[in-house]
Amino acid sequence: EDKVVQSPLSLVVHEGDTVTLNCSYEVTNFRSLLWYKQEKKAPTFLFMLTSSGIEKKSGRLSSILDKKELFSILNITATQTGDSAVYLCAVWRGGGSARQLTFGSGTQLTVLP
Amino acid sequence: NAGVTQTPKFQVLKTGQSMTLQCAQDMNHEYMSWYRQDPGMGLRLIHYSVGAGITDQGEVPNGYNVSRSTTEDFPLRLLSAAPSQTSVYFCASSGRTTGANVLTFGAGSRLTVL
Repeated sequence: EDKVVQSPLSLVVHEGDTVTLNCSYEVTNFRSLLWYKQEKKAPTFLFMLTSSGIEKKSGRLSSILDKKELFSILNITATQTGDSAVYLCAVWRGGGSARQLTFGSGTQLTVLP
Repeated sequence: NAGVTQTPKFQVLKTGQSMTLQCAQDMNHEYMSWYRQDPGMGLRLIHYSVGAGITDQGEVPNGYNVSRSTTEDFPLRLLSAAPSQTSVYFCASSGRTTGANVLTFGAGSRLTVL
């Protein structure tokens, strides 16, 4: 059975701190790993990673994939209160249906002023 | 461009009642899906569709029904609500051109079954 495990489950930091969120997976026929940010409502897409060792970056957020060790990390530097959210990791097995996508249970990040 | 629109945002039902959660997308996406999100369990796939007239079951389909008569609409029907169906429901869509795996989600529907 495919598994996507995120850690920690929750994290509380202060503004300006740097955080690292982890996502490990056991999935047959891996194709890509995706990160989403979920504030009060709908998850919104952040990154898609397909190749090991290539960092994806958007402002203060960055992510990298290790296909050998089967994990990804999401880094957020100089955190702000607006970064408070649940961060979801998902792994895609390829093909054209939603059945190929497995989500982790998320990391709840709280950034205090 | 509205993206994915879900209604209602909130609903309270009694056990045994039926209802339909509506989902519409205006991005001409081929793929649509329904998820439920429960505390500590992430997003679990209920049903999905790869195009008009084609639907299939996901991980947790029992107690739910779907149909896809048009590309735009993908309603989710609860046949006889049970307290175990209390959850937040998300509709999502994706397209071949943007990537089947890159989902656009609706704002969610919070359902409580008493």
